[in-house]
Amino acid sequence: NAGVTQTPKFQVLKTGQSMTLQCAQDMNHNSMYWYRQDPGMGLRLIYYSASEGTTDKGEVPNGYNVSRLNKREFSLRLESAAPSQTSVYFCATSPEGRTQYFGPGTRLTVL
Amino acid sequence: DQQVKQNSPSLSVQEGRISILNCDYTNSMFDYFLWYKKYPAEGPTFLISISSIKDKNEDGRFTVFLNKSAKHLSLHIVPSQPGDSAVYFCAAGGDTGRRALTFGSGTRLQVQP
Repeated sequence: NAGVTQTPKFQVLKTGQSMTLQCAQDMNHNSMYWYRQDPGMGLRLIYYSASEGTTDKGEVPNGYNVSRLNKREFSLRLESAAPSQTSVYFCATSPEGRTQYFGPGTRLTVL
Repeated sequence: DQQVKQNSPSLSVQEGRISILNCDYTNSMFDYFLWYKKYPAEGPTFLISISSIKDKNEDGRFTVFLNKSAKHLSLHIVPSQPGDSAVYFCAAGGDTGRRALTFGSGTRLQVQP
């Protein structure tokens, strides 16, 4: 029972490159979320998915796209990475839309 | 516009004493509140929560107090232990249909042996 897993753990990109961050959960939760955390700031919501087949924008969606592939997986895509997207990205899940459980994070650096 | 604020970036206490972490919010639509603990290079871990219909919730050494009129909540850790040293995030939810959480900026707690 791994809970929430994220891949990769670390990534370095050049400006303009694309990549997909993967998130998978084995908790059978309906809701999944992507957050970013920057120094001195709390976690900010990028996108969320209330259930399989639905996605919606959060507080800071610009420059990102998401896919809720199935109930277990929720991916975040950067089509053309920018230095402002250097951050730590966390995926989270929730059974009831309240208490959220987080993965270990992906540390992304965009040069 | 920060809807959830943790005004103390850091706090240092002695082992065995009480740690009090504070959080203020501005959105009166929030109806539940959570505290998360985060160690370096790990994801946030859920610690304790409280619904707006309560003013106190206790779980072992951790107690969360909610003062709705002041829009203030606090986390008490008694007694504090060196393993409690981490960053603590306050979060609030319930104001939108998406049920996402709004986080404070965190307070770094250092418990001195």
